[in-house]
Amino acid sequence: GAGVSQSPSNKVTEKGKDVELRCDPISGHTALYWYRQSLGQGLEFLIYFQGNSAPDKSGLPSDRFSAERTGGSVSTLTIQRTQQEDSAVYLCASSLHLGETQYFGPGTRLLVL
Amino acid sequence: AQSVTQLGSHVSVSEGALVLLRCNYSSSVPPYLFWYVQYPNQGLQLLLKYTSAATLVKGINGFEAEFKKSETSFHLTKPSAHMSDAAEYFCAVSEIRDDKIIFGKGTRLHILP
Repeated sequence: GAGVSQSPSNKVTEKGKDVELRCDPISGHTALYWYRQSLGQGLEFLIYFQGNSAPDKSGLPSDRFSAERTGGSVSTLTIQRTQQEDSAVYLCASSLHLGETQYFGPGTRLLVL
Repeated sequence: AQSVTQLGSHVSVSEGALVLLRCNYSSSVPPYLFWYVQYPNQGLQLLLKYTSAATLVKGINGFEAEFKKSETSFHLTKPSAHMSDAAEYFCAVSEIRDDKIIFGKGTRLHILP
């Protein structure tokens, strides 16, 4: 596609529920990144993928967070047993190759009640 | 460990006046440095990027930034502010071979008529 797309654009969920956030990178981009933007923490790096593999998962806030990428394209960020502190905007970015300019999607705004 | 400090969470300038947004970084290796802009309800957009070539980097919309190693600074400037420049600006750093981008807390720029 023309740019990085993310869905849903907004998600409201109850505490304790699981949520899945989706990212469609720019076609042909091999690297994909997830970030979180929240009032208290600013913009935080979560995880990146080179192809389908994620070499560094240390940025994920807890073991309730997981991410996968299949077919070298779409990625899903899953949050299990959501907590109120998970409320944030989750941003996805992609780049043609690792180390090149990252292009950001519009984000998914998650609200945990 | 890398870090970024943006001085001033809010900056106000008059239309037509000089814009100066301050950023200082910390990195144990020569860094990549970035400025991103986020307009209301939109995703992050790359303004400019320093990658150890010229120390004065020109970006989009008339913005530029100068890398000063001795001051560990990467301040963003624009000679004449426009109303359309009102947005939040993020300074960011990454290590050359590390694709984690570490963002500053952001500076919201207000343009006064």
